[in-house]
Amino acid sequence: DTGVSQNPRHKITKRGQNVTFRCDPISEHNRLYWYRQTLGQGPEFLTYFQNEAQLEKSRLLSDRFSAERPKGSFSTLEIQRTEQGDSAMYLCASSPKEQGEYTDTQYFGPGTRLTVL
Amino acid sequence: AQSVAQPEDQVNVAEGNPLTVKCTYSVSGNPYLFWYVQYPNRGLQFLLKYITGDNLVKGSYGFEAEFNKSQTSFHLKKPSALVSDSALYFCAVRDRDSGAGSYQLTFGKGTKLSVIP
Repeated sequence: DTGVSQNPRHKITKRGQNVTFRCDPISEHNRLYWYRQTLGQGPEFLTYFQNEAQLEKSRLLSDRFSAERPKGSFSTLEIQRTEQGDSAMYLCASSPKEQGEYTDTQYFGPGTRLTVL
Repeated sequence: AQSVAQPEDQVNVAEGNPLTVKCTYSVSGNPYLFWYVQYPNRGLQFLLKYITGDNLVKGSYGFEAEFNKSQTSFHLKKPSALVSDSALYFCAVRDRDSGAGSYQLTFGKGTKLSVIP
């Protein structure tokens, strides 16, 4: 499978616990994005990386959230001291260069569904 | 600021009939516009995009969309609906003149399309 992969697919945790999600983008995609989607809503942007550099963060990304992409390949999203309001689908996407230029077309993974009890 | 409105939560259409899913947007500059489809328990799949040029954009699975700058709309269309088209459809926008290198997509809330056999 050459698509974006995310692990785990489902995570159930208790309030106050820390959780970490992993995203493996499509090979050679330089840009990687994280979104959050709650029921009945469209995805909301959280942050994005160009290679290993985190270039943009949404105000939705509170100080309990941290994302990394240490080698410019896979990325992790950690949520510390989870709250019930963090329950959502966390989506990862990646985008390639086309003809040497960055493209806006983002290819999404299946998501990680987080439930905070 | 950029925003997207999908005025219909649900659209029902008979199989074989033409379908339209509506989208309007708001950006300060010029838009990049996208349509994505989401099937149950699966990630978002890219359908088509408008960057520049021809206002009628053709995409995957027979879908097309028409960019109308004066009406700030980007409606998704298909001449003949299939039952397999039943899914959740999201319109998204990015302001390509936003400056500061922002690459976040802003999504609408989604429209559930049901194609009735």
